[in-house]
Amino acid sequence: EVQLQQSGAELVRPGTSVKLSCKVSGDTITAYYMHFVKQRPGQGLEWIGRIDPEDDSTKYAEKFKNKATLTADTSSNTAYLKLSSLTSEDTATYFCTTEYLLLFDYWGQGVMVTVSS
Amino acid sequence: DIQMTQSPASLSASLGETVTIECRASEDIYNGLAWYQQKPGKSPQLLIYNANSLHTGVPSRFSGSGSGTQYSLKINSLQSEDVASYFCQQYYDYPYTFGAGTKLELK
Repeated sequence: EVQLQQSGAELVRPGTSVKLSCKVSGDTITAYYMHFVKQRPGQGLEWIGRIDPEDDSTKYAEKFKNKATLTADTSSNTAYLKLSSLTSEDTATYFCTTEYLLLFDYWGQGVMVTVSS
Repeated sequence: DIQMTQSPASLSASLGETVTIECRASEDIYNGLAWYQQKPGKSPQLLIYNANSLHTGVPSRFSGSGSGTQYSLKINSLQSEDVASYFCQQYYDYPYTFGAGTKLELK
């Protein structure tokens, strides 16, 4: 069974960066597009972007183009989301999810990022 | 970007009742739509894909329908475990976008 294990909760200072990981087990990461989704406390879901680990091609939502960077390491079966120039608006839970033939059926447990001085 | 307008924002229903949640896209998304259930503190879970296909393991009381710009999720015979938030998502075109969500509670 495919499982996605995300890194632990982060408490970070404004203006800094954070890199979140999402490790795929049970299958090779290159079988999927890897997507990341943001959810602010008590709010809805926002699509950040996706990476194809096969060729490192990426797509981003416009509002995250200068905020988020997606990378993948096929040797460790892991996708990464780096968030830069953090502000309180970035305080949220971030999920990774796999896409296979337009099915988003495996999700990580989510990682809470808190931006606070 | 394709905007997804989801309604209602919240819904209160009784056990055994049938409920319907709607999503309207700002343009034709050609059935490129999924529905997710999310319980507090948990990840979203895929219910429906391609507008009307039931994902593996999802109870048959859930169903999706629609076409063009109008889509709906129906839950027949509401069960206590269905209390959750529900989101639609279009994946017809980038950027993939979600509806604002519907919070379903028991009356």
